[in-house]
Amino acid sequence: NAGVTQTPKFQVLKTGQSMTLQCAQDMNHNSMYWYRQDPGMGLRLIYYSASEGTTDKGEVPNGYNVSRLNKREFSLRLESAAPSQTSVYFCASSGGLAGGPYEQYFGPGTRLTVT
Amino acid sequence: AQSVAQPEDQVNVAEGNPLTVKCTYSVSGNPYLFWYVQYPNRGLQFLLKYITGDNLVKGSYGFEAEFNKSQTSFHLKKPSALVSDSALYFCAVRVRRGSYIPTFGRGTSLIVHP
Repeated sequence: NAGVTQTPKFQVLKTGQSMTLQCAQDMNHNSMYWYRQDPGMGLRLIYYSASEGTTDKGEVPNGYNVSRLNKREFSLRLESAAPSQTSVYFCASSGGLAGGPYEQYFGPGTRLTVT
Repeated sequence: AQSVAQPEDQVNVAEGNPLTVKCTYSVSGNPYLFWYVQYPNRGLQFLLKYITGDNLVKGSYGFEAEFNKSQTSFHLKKPSALVSDSALYFCAVRVRRGSYIPTFGRGTSLIVHP
């Protein structure tokens, strides 16, 4: 049981390049989330998916797109990377029906640097 | 609307002493409350949560938290700190009805000195 996995672990991009961050969970969870973590800012929600087939914007969605490929996988795409997107990105999942008291399980993170 | 405040950026404590990491919240309605820990270069790990019932919640690694509805607080505690408890701690709140997206505090760095 690997939990939540993310690839890649590290990435360096030049301004304007694109990339996709991959996330998968093997806990049969319904909900999945993408966060970014910046020093002093805590965690900020980028996008989330309450269930397979649905996605919604979070607090800071600009410059990102997501795809809930199936119940296991939730990817985050940067179409044209900007230095302001330099951050650590975490994927998370939570089980049960949306609205229940379920804790989140986090992946190990992707450290992205945009030059 | 919901919000979380962790008033201390950093807490310092000597090994063996009790520790407290503070969290206050604001929600329109009854809350679910969570604590997570993040070790360097790792993702967040769930420690404990308050759903309903007993105001004292026990979690992983000897941590516990006390829910205080009148003070809208959910402070994290441990009777005897270990150096290995040094990490970043996050409090999160979610209102029971309505949005099921949690709001996280900015985190408190706990440093336990030998």
